[in-house]
Amino acid sequence: ETGVTQTPRHLVMGMTNKKSLKCEQHLGHNAMYWYKQSAKKPLELMFVYNFKEQTENNSVPSRFSPECPNSSHLFLHLHTLQPEDSALYLCASSQDRGDGELFFGEGSRLTVL
Amino acid sequence: KNQVEQSPQSLIILEGKNCTLQCNYTVSPFSNLRWYKQDTGRGPVSLTIMTFSENTKSNGRYTATLDADTKQSSLHITASQLSDSASYICVVNPTGANNLFFGTGTRLTVIP
Repeated sequence: ETGVTQTPRHLVMGMTNKKSLKCEQHLGHNAMYWYKQSAKKPLELMFVYNFKEQTENNSVPSRFSPECPNSSHLFLHLHTLQPEDSALYLCASSQDRGDGELFFGEGSRLTVL
Repeated sequence: KNQVEQSPQSLIILEGKNCTLQCNYTVSPFSNLRWYKQDTGRGPVSLTIMTFSENTKSNGRYTATLDADTKQSSLHITASQLSDSASYICVVNPTGANNLFFGTGTRLTVIP
């Protein structure tokens, strides 16, 4: 199995839908992250979990709701999204918070209609 | 203004040719600087890491350099291959802080 696995790889949803993105890491890391990647913009950090505890929420709108049931799994629950939320959502993990080297999943391409 | 600027934004080269990608940063002090490669439809993968005191680091045909005085890093790709077509992202890890600073990336296309 690859180090960090994300599902689904592609998601199309309407603005009134509720969906979830899933991430699982098989690397034994302690920190997990959600990033948003939009065209021609730097990766934007959304949420950070360290040892299952949320340590950072970068002013993300409440229509994005993270969940980390254990140190290997991370979810991003989506509801009432806007078209501008269409982007590639990347999950990453690292051995420890602040370690620097991130291991990314392949991303979930989200399109909001 | 982004604290990590990359140039060019995109680049097209012939297979077998060399190329150099640039990264200018204002983040200071920093612990390390990494270059990531992101294939289309994939997540970024780390290519090289340099601490603030290192000048160069190689990974096969990829060589990264760092000039802390001018706050510049470059990624040199030798004898390019079609599989080098990807986005290359410069990432700076500031000292004493948890957030990384990402560049917007350079989109490299290698054509036969």
